[in-house]
Amino acid sequence: GEDVEQSLFLSVREGDSSVINCTYTDSSSTYLYWYKQEPGAGLQLLTYIFSNMDMKQDQRLTVLLNKKDKHLSLRIADTQTGDSAIYFCAEMPGSNTGKLIFGQGTTLQVKP
Amino acid sequence: GAVVSQHPSRVICKSGTSVKIECRSLDFQATTMFWYRQFPKQSLMLMATSNEGSKATYEQGVEKDKFLINHASLTLSTLTVTSAHPEDSSFYICSALAAGTNEKLFFGSGTQLSVL
Repeated sequence: GEDVEQSLFLSVREGDSSVINCTYTDSSSTYLYWYKQEPGAGLQLLTYIFSNMDMKQDQRLTVLLNKKDKHLSLRIADTQTGDSAIYFCAEMPGSNTGKLIFGQGTTLQVKP
Repeated sequence: GAVVSQHPSRVICKSGTSVKIECRSLDFQATTMFWYRQFPKQSLMLMATSNEGSKATYEQGVEKDKFLINHASLTLSTLTVTSAHPEDSSFYICSALAAGTNEKLFFGSGTQLSVL
């Protein structure tokens, strides 16, 4: 079946890089996403990557995709206290356009 | 970026009443919208897929008579929680798939429903 796994917690110091990891099981996934959620708020789309790409960079964010290992990561450079939030990895199964399978979310704590 | 407006952001109601939640795509059209439910400190679980002009498709275990979905236009989907009970208390979030794309998905700000 479809499953997405993330580590639950990451703590970094301000200015350091953060790397949030995600694994998924569906080899037919077409797109993979990273969303950010602050307390009591909705999901903010950070970035997404098509499954035939292995890297995407957008300002401080770098997404790496290892399709063979079904591993996705999000690197945040120069992490700031405002980056503290829950980060969700999600995959779009190949058979279901628009339907997302989410990981449990990784809480990122940024210490000053 | 594209904006999805969800209203209300917070609602408290008595047990047995019905609550309607609106999801609007403000600057794009969305032929398909999705409704998710999120429990505290947990991930999002898809409840149903809402297609403009047709009946919604519900995920296994989601009661369609309990959670009524209407997608009357290309920019609006509504979720009505009927005869709400305390166990329906949750955070409900919608997402909208931008028309003409397969991948551009934007989420609303969510609705916190508390049933007393």
